Amino acid sequence: AQSVTQPDIHITVSEGASLELRCNYSYGATPYLFWYVQSPGQGLQLLLKYFSGDTLVQGIKGFEAEFKRSQSSFNLRKPSVHWSDAAEYFCAVGPNQAGTALIFGKGTTLSVSS
Amino acid sequence: EAGVAQSPRYKIIEKRQSVAFWCNPISGHATLYWYQQILGQGPKLLIQFQNNGVVDDSQLPKDRFSAERLKGVDSTLKIQPAKLEDSAVYLCASSLATRWRGYTFGSGTRLTVV
Repeated sequence: AQSVTQPDIHITVSEGASLELRCNYSYGATPYLFWYVQSPGQGLQLLLKYFSGDTLVQGIKGFEAEFKRSQSSFNLRKPSVHWSDAAEYFCAVGPNQAGTALIFGKGTTLSVSS
Repeated sequence: EAGVAQSPRYKIIEKRQSVAFWCNPISGHATLYWYQQILGQGPKLLIQFQNNGVVDDSQLPKDRFSAERLKGVDSTLKIQPAKLEDSAVYLCASSLATRWRGYTFGSGTRLTVV
């Protein structure tokens, strides 16, 4: 079955510290992978996506993610967290076909302490 | 380009009442999705349209939920009658059908059923 697992429900990091959010997926074919961020009361905003090629992808707001096929993972990282990064983060997976539905993980809530 | 428009932003109804949500996708996006996001969970696909045809409605509770996209542009999602467990954020997203670049989400409608 196709699924996305985000093992950490809630993470707290200090402002300026580095961040890594974990994502593992189960998918039968070559997946397309996404990270979205959701601030309170807002819709989901795309941070970055992986389709093919370089397994380290850069996104907006200083985020990056690394696709590791052998580990079925697509972890999100940021070297230095800002207070404005506090939000909920969702990993999603979909097939390499346009116009198809994504499967989302349950999300990780990030809190940033000063 | 204009984003995905949704209305209303918030809705409070009593159980057994009916409610409707509206979505206008990005111009040119043939594929439209309705997702349900229950508090603390990731978005779950309810229904996917391509133009005015249904691609996937396997997770739509058809005894109470219905959706249409009559002219292949904007869409309406209806719940009748509502149950307490329908309290959630209803997200609309759209994407191109021929070129996979991920979704664009609307801000969502937060439904509270009391």
